[in-house]
Amino acid sequence: DVKVTQSSRYLVKRTGEKVFLECVQDMDHENMFWYRQDPGLGLRLIYFSYDVKMKEKGDIPEGYSVSREKKERFSLILESASTNQTSMYLCASSFGQASYGYTFGSGTRLTVV
Amino acid sequence: QKEVEQNSGPLSVPEGAIASLNCTYSDRGSQSFFWYRQYSGKSPELIMFIYSNGDKEDGRFTAQLNKASQYVSLLIRDSQPSDSATYLCAVNVDTGNQFYFGTGTSLTVIP
Repeated sequence: DVKVTQSSRYLVKRTGEKVFLECVQDMDHENMFWYRQDPGLGLRLIYFSYDVKMKEKGDIPEGYSVSREKKERFSLILESASTNQTSMYLCASSFGQASYGYTFGSGTRLTVV
Repeated sequence: QKEVEQNSGPLSVPEGAIASLNCTYSDRGSQSFFWYRQYSGKSPELIMFIYSNGDKEDGRFTAQLNKASQYVSLLIRDSQPSDSATYLCAVNVDTGNQFYFGTGTSLTVIP
């Protein structure tokens, strides 16, 4: 069973804090993705990576950065958290051309106060 | 711009009925199509994918694809209360491994 593990289920952070969201997958997938999900807006792609040390901007990268130092780990960084970054964050991974879809992590519900 | 449109619902059906969920997409280069189910507070889980025009059946689920009309649907036969969830349509365009998601349709199956 493919597992995508997100380090925290719930997080509460203060405005201006630097926030790290970690994602680890155990199936040697090349591709990893970070989405945020908000009511009425659906899933929006923040960043993705096709290989170690490689990253590409998605649709809403502003205020975020990522790191992929190892194939199995993809980290999302909120440089200076703001209240409009309160959301559900979902990590996903896939193999090759993603012919069989993504596998999602369980999500991190981040609240910025 | 690549768009995936779904009726947000909510869609309510009685237990045992057929639920029909619809999705349209804008990019004619779209190659593969996926349906995810998402229970409240949980992450999406893949339930079906389809690449070719026509129908694909898996148990109580049938995915239907019509590329000429840029339309993909999901039918759930003999709907159960446990099918109550939000269903997300996702489209993979051939230019990469990125998926584009619709905003989801909320389904409630009434016992």
